[in-house]
Amino acid sequence: GIQVEQSPPDLILQEGANSTLRCNFSDSVNNLQWFHQNPWGQLINLFYIPSGTKQNGRLSATTVATERYSLLYISSSQTTDSGVYFCAVEDKAGTALIFGKGTTLSVSS
Amino acid sequence: DGGITQSPKYLFRKEGQNVTLSCEQNLNHDAMYWYRQDPGQGLRLIYYSQIVNDFQKGDIAEGYSVSREKKESFPLTVTSAQKNPTAFYLCASSIAYRVEQYFGPGTRLTVT
Repeated sequence: GIQVEQSPPDLILQEGANSTLRCNFSDSVNNLQWFHQNPWGQLINLFYIPSGTKQNGRLSATTVATERYSLLYISSSQTTDSGVYFCAVEDKAGTALIFGKGTTLSVSS
Repeated sequence: DGGITQSPKYLFRKEGQNVTLSCEQNLNHDAMYWYRQDPGQGLRLIYYSQIVNDFQKGDIAEGYSVSREKKESFPLTVTSAQKNPTAFYLCASSIAYRVEQYFGPGTRLTVT
C-alpha cells in the first residue's frame, strides 16, 4: 500500500521562528489532509489539499501531486502551535486516510 | 453546535471484558470511520461505514466490531479477542465517502 513519510520527526523552535514540514507519499493520491493534534489528542483540520496551494493565517500548504509531496509552512510560530502535525493521504483505490507518523513541534517562548 | 462527540473520554476495563465506545455526529454526514492511535504513531483505520446499515473492515479490524443502525451513530466494540486494546480511539466523519474527514475528541482506553 501507499507509504507516507513525514520529516523532520521532531522540531524545536523559538517563538517567532518559521518552519517547513514535509510529507512524501509513494503513489498518486485522491486526497491529502494536514492535521494538528493538540496536547489533549484532538485532531484539528488544517488543510484539505490534494493539489495546489492554500493559506490560512500564519499557515500555508502546498501539494505537488506530480512529485508526490506536500509542504506545511508555519510562520511566526507561537507556543500554541506546539503539538504533533500529521499528514494523511488517501490513495486512488483507497478506503480511508493513511497517516504518516507525524512531526512533533515544540515552540518555546 | 455541530460536531462529533465521543464518550467516555477515559475508559478503564479489565482484560477479558468487552467494551463499547460511543461516537455520535450531528453534521448529517453519511460516512463514519474508526481509527486507533498508539503512542508515537499515526492513526490506523479499524472500520468505516459509507451509509447506514453498511460497514467495511479497515486495516486492523481483528478483535473489533461495529454497527451502523442510525446515520448519526457508529459505536465501536472492543472485544476480548483484541490482543492489545489499550490505545487512543478516534472517530471521524465526512459528508460523503472519500472527502475531507473531521475527527471527534477521542477516547483513551486502558485495559489491565
